Amino acid sequence: NAGVMQNPRHLVRRRGQEARLRCSPMKGHSHVYWYRQLPEEGLKFMVYLQKENIIDESGMPKERFSAEFPKEGPSILRIQQVVRGDSAAYFCASSQQEMDEQYFGPGTRLTVT
Amino acid sequence: GENVEQHPSTLSVQEGDSAVIKCTYSDSASNYFPWYKQELGKRPQLIIDIRSNVGEKKDQRIAVTLNKTAKHFSLHITETQPEDSAVYFCAACGNQFYFGTGTSLTVIP
Repeated sequence: NAGVMQNPRHLVRRRGQEARLRCSPMKGHSHVYWYRQLPEEGLKFMVYLQKENIIDESGMPKERFSAEFPKEGPSILRIQQVVRGDSAAYFCASSQQEMDEQYFGPGTRLTVT
Repeated sequence: GENVEQHPSTLSVQEGDSAVIKCTYSDSASNYFPWYKQELGKRPQLIIDIRSNVGEKKDQRIAVTLNKTAKHFSLHITETQPEDSAVYFCAACGNQFYFGTGTSLTVIP
């Protein structure tokens, strides 16, 4: 049973470009969560999605950030017009039930130059 | 919203000693409390969790205690080993997961 998959593992973007981060949950999991982690800091909740629905996006900046979890395919976190402050590790996690045990992917390390 | 505080932020222990990390939370609706271990450059991994209907849970050298009245929960690692060195995060979950700021544990051989 494959774990949570994320790609790419490393992403370099210049200021103003778009970043697309993908997350495939564990098999049988329909709940996906995205977190941001700055160096030597904790995990900050961004958004919680179920298939085709955004359940809670209270942790996600209203400008430039968006997330989706389509019926088919991975969940995508999209950051438009990236700035240096967006540089961080972005982790997704999935769970089988709502607000249940979460299993994390390996993360995408975004570097904005 | 929920507010999770975690202490200490750094902890050094001698190999074989015990380590204790404490977290407090504010939202009485929180009912699920997992602990994650994150090694440098790696993903957080769930090591133990506890639900609000239980006061204590143990898994080999790791135990977690929960005091709902006082709204605090703790991670206990006994007979620490160098491979226990990592950052540990607590979390409180009700309507959302709220993570503590992490404890960097160093086990000195």
